[in-house]
Amino acid sequence: DGGITQSPKYLFRKEGQNVTLSCEQNLNHDAMYWYRQDPGQGLRLIYYSQIVNDFQKGDIAEGYSVSREKKESFPLTVTSAQKNPTAFYLCASCGPTWGYTFGSGTRLTVV
Amino acid sequence: SQQGEEDPQALSIQEGENATMNCSYKTSINNLQWYRQNSGRGLVHLILIRSNEREKHSGRLRVTLDTSKKSSSLLITASRAADTASYFCATDAYNNDMRFGAGTRLTVKP
Repeated sequence: DGGITQSPKYLFRKEGQNVTLSCEQNLNHDAMYWYRQDPGQGLRLIYYSQIVNDFQKGDIAEGYSVSREKKESFPLTVTSAQKNPTAFYLCASCGPTWGYTFGSGTRLTVV
Repeated sequence: SQQGEEDPQALSIQEGENATMNCSYKTSINNLQWYRQNSGRGLVHLILIRSNEREKHSGRLRVTLDTSKKSSSLLITASRAADTASYFCATDAYNNDMRFGAGTRLTVKP
């Protein structure tokens, strides 16, 4: 089955620590996206990539970094510069003819 | 940044009733999409309507789009308890980065 996989499902970060969230897709989609969702809120775009080795900042990129070395993978690093990282993170991919396919999310908590 | 805004923020209805949610946006779009999210899960794509379409149906879902008013509505007919979820509209501008609204939280009481 084709799909998009996020891992881990739950992640705990200490103050000042960098953490990396994984997002892998086997849908052969060119475009991939990272969103942040706070409780009771909508999704805010962090970064997106429309092609390998290229990515663009979204609305709230500060404190985050990404890479797109392979078509299938779009990892998100939450750096120590992100002062309020506790949130639900969603990865999505998009092909040429359909809507977005979302992963099941990673819930990040600062401890 | 361009963003859809849903209205109402929350909606509570009885099973069997129809549920209508609205979405407004600010600038020209390529298409508009509706998604559903169960609590703590990822979003599931429901329906896409292109800017040159006015109405689209999928099962119990009916979506309308009025580009002159920059608005869309999602109608769920004969609602079921399993329809309880948050519903988001998302607008896709021509640069292909999708923006989402804050969503409508629908509760369908059995």
